[in-house]
Amino acid sequence: NAGVTQTPKFRILKIGQSMTLQCAQDMNHNYMYWYRQDPGMGLKLIYYSVGAGITDKGEVPNGYNVSRSTTEDFPLRLELAAPSQTSVYFCASSPRNRGHQPQHFGDGTRLSIL
Amino acid sequence: KNEVEQSPQNLTAQEGEFITINCSYSVGISALHWLQQHPGGGIVSLFMLSSGKKKHGRLIATINIQEKHSSLHITASHPRDSAVYICAVESGATNKLIFGTGTLLAVQP
Repeated sequence: NAGVTQTPKFRILKIGQSMTLQCAQDMNHNYMYWYRQDPGMGLKLIYYSVGAGITDKGEVPNGYNVSRSTTEDFPLRLELAAPSQTSVYFCASSPRNRGHQPQHFGDGTRLSIL
Repeated sequence: KNEVEQSPQNLTAQEGEFITINCSYSVGISALHWLQQHPGGGIVSLFMLSSGKKKHGRLIATINIQEKHSSLHITASHPRDSAVYICAVESGATNKLIFGTGTLLAVQP
């Protein structure tokens, strides 16, 4: 059971380049999330989705875009990468809750913008 | 002021010691989560609670809704418990979390 899979694990980008961080889950979870984790800071929500075709902004969405064409996949797109986007990115998923459910996290993508 | 505050930020303990990590929050919540992050590793959910107390092995989590406070206890600590422990609160209907900055725990043999 793979759970939440993120690719790539590491990436270095030049300023102004673009890339897509991939996230896939095989648990048939409706809810998916993208977070960034910066040193000394708590995880911040970038975007989230409550189901295929539905996405919404989180706390820090500027400079990012997402799409959710299937239940399994929730890619995060960086356009015109900036040094401020250097961070560790985590994707997570949870089932639609009857009651509260824990989030399942991927292993993270460490991204450096130089 | 952060909506979720953890203390201490850093904690060093000797193997076998009883450890307590605290979490205070200032918003209305529907549940509180404790997570563990090993160095260079992913994040794992330890507990999710909305009242009372939960226990799993050597880990115990408690919450006091009236005081807006939760504690994570580790009994008989072991070097493999060394990790960052993160408190997060859940509000709203979409399971969105607000995270504390984490407590870095080092358990020395």
